[in-house]
Amino acid sequence: KQEVTQIPAALSVPEGENLVLNCSFTDSAIYNLQWFRQDPGKGLTSLLLIQSSQREQTSGRLNASLDKSSGRSTLYIAASQPGDSATYLCAVIREYGNKLVFGAGTILRVKS
Amino acid sequence: DTGVSQNPRHKITKRGQNVTFRCDPISEHNRLYWYRQTLGQGPEFLTYFQNEAQLEKSRLLSDRFSAERPKGSFSTLEIQRTEQGDSAMYLCASSMGRGGSPLHFGNGTRLTVT
Repeated sequence: KQEVTQIPAALSVPEGENLVLNCSFTDSAIYNLQWFRQDPGKGLTSLLLIQSSQREQTSGRLNASLDKSSGRSTLYIAASQPGDSATYLCAVIREYGNKLVFGAGTILRVKS
Repeated sequence: DTGVSQNPRHKITKRGQNVTFRCDPISEHNRLYWYRQTLGQGPEFLTYFQNEAQLEKSRLLSDRFSAERPKGSFSTLEIQRTEQGDSAMYLCASSMGRGGSPLHFGNGTRLTVT
């Protein structure tokens, strides 16, 4: 059974700091990995999707990497802003699978 | 707005009552998913449809839960005889269904059972 773990569970940083969120998964036979952002009481917004054959994806100040063999992904946020405050979730879909399996998320607070 | 739409946004009901939620996916998406999320946890898979066919159901989906997607368009999730443990955010997502297609989520329906 695929399990996804996110570390840390919560993170508080001053504005402008670069930060890294970690995601690990137990079964490396994945099809892709997706990072989401969730604001309080809202749905999920897709940030980045990395196919299993890719090593990283970038969008603006966000960079996600994937090391499939070791079962790890990181989300790097450059020059953090208060508007980045949210819960960040990673999720994987296994090979020949049909559903995303989520971690519990990292709650990020960027202080101004 | 062409995103995934869920109604209602909030639902408060008394234990034992039945509730129904609706999800309208992105129009060209043939896959539709239902997830449940409780406080401090990531979403948990409940069920998904490929067009109108319900292809997989989680063991979380007890016999009090039923989901439909008539004509492969919108979907409904009904909970019968609600229990306090059903209180959660119910999220709907849709995708193109091709390998590697990202899921797009709605804003969810928050259910509170009193």
